Amino acid sequence: AQSVSQHNHHVILSEAASLELGCNYSYGGTVNLFWYVQYPGQHLQLLLKYFSGDPLVKGIKGFEAEFIKSKFSFNLRKPSVQWSDTAEYFCAVNAAGGYNKLIFGAGTRLAVHP
Amino acid sequence: GAGVSQSPSNKVTEKGKDVELRCDPISGHTALYWYRQSLGQGLEFLIYFQGNSAPDKSGLPSDRFSAERTGGSVSTLTIQRTQQEDSAVYLCASSSQRDRAGTDTQYFGPGTRLTVL
Repeated sequence: AQSVSQHNHHVILSEAASLELGCNYSYGGTVNLFWYVQYPGQHLQLLLKYFSGDPLVKGIKGFEAEFIKSKFSFNLRKPSVQWSDTAEYFCAVNAAGGYNKLIFGAGTRLAVHP
Repeated sequence: GAGVSQSPSNKVTEKGKDVELRCDPISGHTALYWYRQSLGQGLEFLIYFQGNSAPDKSGLPSDRFSAERTGGSVSTLTIQRTQQEDSAVYLCASSSQRDRAGTDTQYFGPGTRLTVL
C-alpha cells in the first residue's frame, strides 16, 4: 500500500531563514507527487506537483521541490521564508495511470516569526 | 461558482443521529473526491467519483458512511448513526480529469466541520 511520511510535524523559523521539509513515499510503481498548503482559515491549495520531466519543480510563492527517485523523496524547499508562509504543508502522492486518490502525509506546521 | 463549495460549514450533532454533508464541485469537473481531516489521522481519502464509472469506495471507514453524486455534479456524504470518532473536517475536492494519469490538480472546498457530541 502507498504511504507518505513527513519527517517534521512542527517547524519554527525566523524570517529569511531557509526551509526544507522532508517527504518520503512508499510505492513500487510510478507516482505523481504533490505539495499542498493550508494557510490559516483557508482551503487546501496546490503549491506544486511533479509527474514527469525535470525532477526539480518550481511552484508558487518561490517554493520548489526535488524528486529523487532513488530515495523515494520529494522534499520542499524555499531559500528565504516570509511570515506569510506560516501554514500547514502536506505532501501527497497518487499512483500514475489512473488511480487518482491522493495519499497524504500527516502534514508539517510551519510557523515563521518576524 | 468559482470554487468548490460545501455546506454546512459547521455541523454539531448528537451521537446516533444521521448527518448529510453536501459538496458542489467546480462546474465542468468530472471527478469528485471526499477526504476526512481529523486530529491524529491527518487527511484520509474516503471516496472518489469519476463520471459515470462506479465510485471508488475503498476509503470509507464503515458501512455507516455512504455517498452519492447526482447528475454528475452535486455530491452528498451521509453518515448514519454518528459516533464521536466521526468528528472531523470533511473535505470535498474536484478535478477536471482531462487524462487518466492522475496528474490533474484537485481543488478543495472549505470543508464541513462535524462535531459529534
